Amino acid sequence: DIVLTQSPGTLSLSPGERATLSCRASQSVNTNYLTWYQQKRGRAPRVLIYGTSRRATGIPDRFSGSGSGTDFTLTISGLEPEDSAVYYCQQYGSALYTFGQGTNLEIK
Amino acid sequence: QVQLVQSGTEVKRPGASMKISCKASGYIFTTFLIHWLRQAPEQGLEWLGRIDPSNGHTHYSRHFQNRITVTSDTSTSTVYMELSSLSSEDTAIYYCAREIPETTWFDPWGQGVLVTVSS
Repeated sequence: DIVLTQSPGTLSLSPGERATLSCRASQSVNTNYLTWYQQKRGRAPRVLIYGTSRRATGIPDRFSGSGSGTDFTLTISGLEPEDSAVYYCQQYGSALYTFGQGTNLEIK
Repeated sequence: QVQLVQSGTEVKRPGASMKISCKASGYIFTTFLIHWLRQAPEQGLEWLGRIDPSNGHTHYSRHFQNRITVTSDTSTSTVYMELSSLSSEDTAIYYCAREIPETTWFDPWGQGVLVTVSS
């Protein structure tokens, strides 16, 4: 199984700052199959970025994704209080879908 | 609008089976895959399996291969997930989610259903 390791575990930033979230895979991931989700407390996840860098419908351009191989990044610029959530990366490979353990983003 | 509405909270005894449902609306049911995922308390997300409602073909995580069954009913646009031989480790929120075939990402998700396994 491809294991995704996200860092940091928790990130505490102020409004207006930039957040950089990392997702590292134990094996190379097809860039078409790397996705980022946002999950707010008590809610289901929602897709932010698919195919490594493509924003899902309705997602503001403050959210951007990049990466290749085993290293992927979600960047959130101009943080807003509503960005407080847990962010997960997800990949598909070897007939299995796996998720990272999440990064908890707190907005001070 | 596209919606996935799941059945309600369940409490099960260890060793029992559970069967939960996911009713789709707002799109052509047979043109998208439906997946099942779960999230244990304060834990991350885990994929269980999927079905193609157009033909009933399923694909399961090998971690659940022996005790999961996913079925679909095109007459009611509903997908069911049955999980057997439950243990306390199966206590989780279970989600269904839609996938455009071969895109490998999930949107939207159902609201989730809490299943508690306890003696």
